[in-house]
Amino acid sequence: EVQLVDSGGGLVQPGRSLRLSCAASGFTFDDYAMHWVRQAPGKGLEWVSGISWNGGSTGYADSVKGRFTISRDNAKNSLYLQMNGLRAEDTALYYCAKGKDIVVKNGFDIWGQGTMVTVSS
Amino acid sequence: DIVMTQSPDSLAVSLGERATINCKSSQNVLYSSNNKNYLAWYQQKPGQPPKLLIYWASTRESGVPDRFSGSGSGTDFTLTISSLQAEDVAVYYCQQYYDTPLTFGPGTKVDVK
Repeated sequence: EVQLVDSGGGLVQPGRSLRLSCAASGFTFDDYAMHWVRQAPGKGLEWVSGISWNGGSTGYADSVKGRFTISRDNAKNSLYLQMNGLRAEDTALYYCAKGKDIVVKNGFDIWGQGTMVTVSS
Repeated sequence: DIVMTQSPDSLAVSLGERATINCKSSQNVLYSSNNKNYLAWYQQKPGQPPKLLIYWASTRESGVPDRFSGSGSGTDFTLTISSLQAEDVAVYYCQQYYDTPLTFGPGTKVDVK
């Protein structure tokens, strides 16, 4: 079964850091780009970041550029999002999502259940 | 950045009737070298992650019922549900993947009248 399991969310104070993880199974992980997409409570979807199949190409939303870093470990079938300098506006449910191809510019065909990040003092 | 807009914000349709959602991009998302529109549609039901319905503007994802169809090119796109079923109640999003940052529309909520 194709599956993505997001983890690492929690309550964190403004300015602190958090690292999200996504464990993939049921498909050849290094054949696809991977992404993080977030959804603030009651709001729409916002693409956060994407990484190509081998990590050679990455992209970020303007709102997180310079603060968040996406990475992947193909040997471990895992995707990560290092979030530094967290702000209240980063509060959201963060989804790991599988791209439909090796490149970042693609749609997302498999989604995790999401991990909640709450930034508050 | 490419800005995606959707209309209407919400709509209510009787069971068995057609539902039409429009999506407009601020820039062309048709890539001339392969003649493909870099546009996808998603369905999100309450408490669930989004589900891919359509990609390349009109290609139905595997397992998606054929009552869902996508059309359009360039900057104007449409998602049509030909005969609304109760299980289609959801929020629908369009998304461009022509350029980074990848961007979504604000969503259209579909309900049963």
